[in-house]
Amino acid sequence: KAGVTQTPRYLIKTRGQQVTLSCSPISGHRSVSWYQQTPGQGLQFLFEYFSETQRNKGNFPGRFSGRQFSNSRSEMNVSTLELGDSALYLCASSEGQGDGYTFGSGTRLTVV
Amino acid sequence: DQQVKQNSPSLSVQEGRISILNCDYTNSMFDYFLWYKKYPAEGPTFLISISSIKDKNEDGRFTVFLNKSAKHLSLHIVPSQPGDSAVYFCAAQETGANNLFFGTGTRLTVIP
Repeated sequence: KAGVTQTPRYLIKTRGQQVTLSCSPISGHRSVSWYQQTPGQGLQFLFEYFSETQRNKGNFPGRFSGRQFSNSRSEMNVSTLELGDSALYLCASSEGQGDGYTFGSGTRLTVV
Repeated sequence: DQQVKQNSPSLSVQEGRISILNCDYTNSMFDYFLWYKKYPAEGPTFLISISSIKDKNEDGRFTVFLNKSAKHLSLHIVPSQPGDSAVYFCAAQETGANNLFFGTGTRLTVIP
């Protein structure tokens, strides 16, 4: 079956702009989580959606938001981009606990 | 506050020898632990997990050990192979939680 698909793979934006990233989960997976990976910080949890509802949110400013559609596809949005938002953004879909998480290849966002 | 810590950013091991990757955690509510492996330009892939009711779990060349009293886990790879060269992330989860807490990763290099 198809894996987790994230688009686009690479993105360059200017400070102050906003960006939307997309994630299509594995078919049948209703939970979608987003993580930010930066050097030295590992993967930091952003938020998790299940059946279109945000169930959990990490410690990120309100500029980071997300949503999930009825087909389980998810988007995350970052507004008023800052240089520090440059990172690899990873999406994971799952049916349950940790070993059920499947990650996409990520979107590499560079803010200049 | 980093609740899961991997204090060794890198490790080099000769092919055929044992690789030992370490991870410490601070949250006593964590009861499920995982190791993920990540190659460049790919998302993390699940490797092996362990529940807090166990102290060891083995899967082929990979064994994870958990010491709850020390809040420490380790991943042993025996024998190490060049294809094992990657970044390894330790992750932890609380029962019923919908997110993983990741360490900052250890880059393993297996020298042929």
